[in-house]
Amino acid sequence: DTEVTQTPKHLVMGMTNKKSLKCEQHMGHRAMYWYKQKAKKPPELMFVYSYEKLSINESVPSRFSPECPNSSLLNLHLHALQPEDSALYLCASSQDLSRDYSYEQYFGPGTRLTVT
Amino acid sequence: AQTVTQSQPEMSVQEAETVTLSCTYDTSENNYYLFWYKQPPSRQMILVIRQEAYKQQNATENRFSVNFQKAAKSFSLKISDSQLGDTAMYFCAFMKQGGLNTDKLIFGTGTRLQVFP
Repeated sequence: DTEVTQTPKHLVMGMTNKKSLKCEQHMGHRAMYWYKQKAKKPPELMFVYSYEKLSINESVPSRFSPECPNSSLLNLHLHALQPEDSALYLCASSQDLSRDYSYEQYFGPGTRLTVT
Repeated sequence: AQTVTQSQPEMSVQEAETVTLSCTYDTSENNYYLFWYKQPPSRQMILVIRQEAYKQQNATENRFSVNFQKAAKSFSLKISDSQLGDTAMYFCAFMKQGGLNTDKLIFGTGTRLQVFP
């Protein structure tokens, strides 16, 4: 099973709302990622978790708050977003983080977020 | 800093023909990995092929093969016997090996490939 699942598929939220995106993998991967992708652009890395600890934060605004409750689950909590935050949010996972090897990242289908 | 350049925003090819997508990159690293990812319209991104920089042999995966020229920092993707299902955005990506932030994928801007019947 090489599947990364994301819910919801679509989300529309107002600028004062609080919502969460969910990502799940059951491949035993220990590294998980959040990316933001604007239309016709490549994904931009937001956060990396390794063994449930935040490893990389790419200077993402605090209105995005990641959480990794366990090794299979990754959440992205959203609060007070701006219209320019509308994008496809991709989750990915990889087997591990290693100084000596690079493991493939497996991507989920994404959540298409619209901020009104 | 590493950069990845895909100079062809859009390409088209007829079914069963061969097409080559270009990718160049810039890095001072000696050990790194290169990837081609495919993102079909409204579908999820999948890995097509990967290449370790220390390997001289070009990677192949069925109809997909790469031409890796380390000295020229070039990493092109050849798709043989193109199929309608190959229609997608293709991203070239770089990842360095070792040290901090080793799992950051640096993506190119993408090439949109359309396969026509």
